[in-house]
Amino acid sequence: GQNIDQPTEMTATEGAIVQINCTYQTSGFNGLFWYQQHAGEAPTFLSYNVLDGLEEKGRFSSFLSRSKGYSYLLLKELQMKDSASYLCAVTDSNYQLIWGAGTKLIIKP
Amino acid sequence: SAVISQKPSRDICQRGTSLTIQCQVDSQVTMMFWYRQQPGQSLTLIATANQGSEATYESGFVIDKFPISRPNLTFSTLTVSNMSPEDSSIYLCSTLNRDPGGNEQFFGPGTRLTVL
Repeated sequence: GQNIDQPTEMTATEGAIVQINCTYQTSGFNGLFWYQQHAGEAPTFLSYNVLDGLEEKGRFSSFLSRSKGYSYLLLKELQMKDSASYLCAVTDSNYQLIWGAGTKLIIKP
Repeated sequence: SAVISQKPSRDICQRGTSLTIQCQVDSQVTMMFWYRQQPGQSLTLIATANQGSEATYESGFVIDKFPISRPNLTFSTLTVSNMSPEDSSIYLCSTLNRDPGGNEQFFGPGTRLTVL
């Protein structure tokens, strides 16, 4: 079966760094997405990785290792507004998105 | 980037009735999807809306319950038929363009549906 695993909840301190991990097992791979979702709102696209390595976008970076079926989202200089759910999703061989359950990130002052 | 609008943004409906949700994109897109997000859960794909042909439904979703139209490359509708309280959810329209530079997926603002 197809499966995406990510931690249910994480807590971090304002100004710190947090890494949210995602592991996947899918039938084929055509890219991995990270989304941010605030409660009651639609998801917002953060990043897309299809090749191994690190993609950096301001305070957010995303890493992919296809051989390990592993990705992480790195958030630096955390701000209170970063409190949200972070969703990992993988596109399979049919270009269907397989979604993780999301990681709820709680930022404390 | 694609800008997606949905109508209505929210509605409260009676059991047994039907609601049609519209999705409008400001540019032509390769693929359009309909998702559902029930309270406290991740997104679930309902179907892929195919232009000019029947939608492709995921396991657990059927055309009689969720008829979908996609008459062109910028517009789609999802109908939630014969509603029950279990259909209370956020329904999201999404688009995906595939090109050599990679894929980017966008979401509409969602339609919050409450069924009494």
